[in-house]
Amino acid sequence: NAGVMQNPRHLVRRRGQEARLRCSPMKGHSHVYWYRQLPEEGLKFMVYLQKENIIDESGMPKERFSAEFPKEGPSILRIQQVVRGDSAAYFCASSPPSLSGANVLTFGAGSRLTVL
Amino acid sequence: GQNIDQPTEMTATEGAIVQINCTYQTSGFNGLFWYQQHAGEAPTFLSYNVLDGLEEKGRFSSFLSRSKGYSYLLLKELQMKDSASYLCAVRDPTGGGNKLTFGTGTQLKVEL
Repeated sequence: NAGVMQNPRHLVRRRGQEARLRCSPMKGHSHVYWYRQLPEEGLKFMVYLQKENIIDESGMPKERFSAEFPKEGPSILRIQQVVRGDSAAYFCASSPPSLSGANVLTFGAGSRLTVL
Repeated sequence: GQNIDQPTEMTATEGAIVQINCTYQTSGFNGLFWYQQHAGEAPTFLSYNVLDGLEEKGRFSSFLSRSKGYSYLLLKELQMKDSASYLCAVRDPTGGGNKLTFGTGTQLKVEL
């Protein structure tokens, strides 16, 4: 049973380009979360999605960032016109649909974006 | 709002016991989690507390006091491989889901 799969693991972009990060949740998980981790900082919540729905995007920057989780295929975090401040590790996590008790977030290995 | 505090760094000796504290002030509470994160890797789940008291799992234990907004992670018989960042996180009960708010993490260094 594969875990949360993220790709690419490393991505280098020049300022102004677009970055697309992909996340396939664990089998049986229908909830996906994106977090950003800047150097020397904690994980910051960005967005929570279920299939075809954005449930909570309170942590997403108002511009240039978008996320989707289509009916088929992986969740995608898209950053348009990247700037140096977007350089960070972006982690995807998934959890089962049942929200009882100790259902935990399982994290992928992250995508490390470097903006030159 | 959400505020979670934990020490930035700690150092301990192999074979010893270390306690990592976490205090939180949050607008809601639906469980407290501890994760371990090695450099460049994914955070991995260690423990979960929703009721007051101690949860023990092998060399790791976690304690929660909801009235004090306080938790700690206790690591026994430290090994070199325990050198990592330890993340305290609170689950937000609003909006459903499993949204976690994380502290900045405690970097633990285990020395010989």
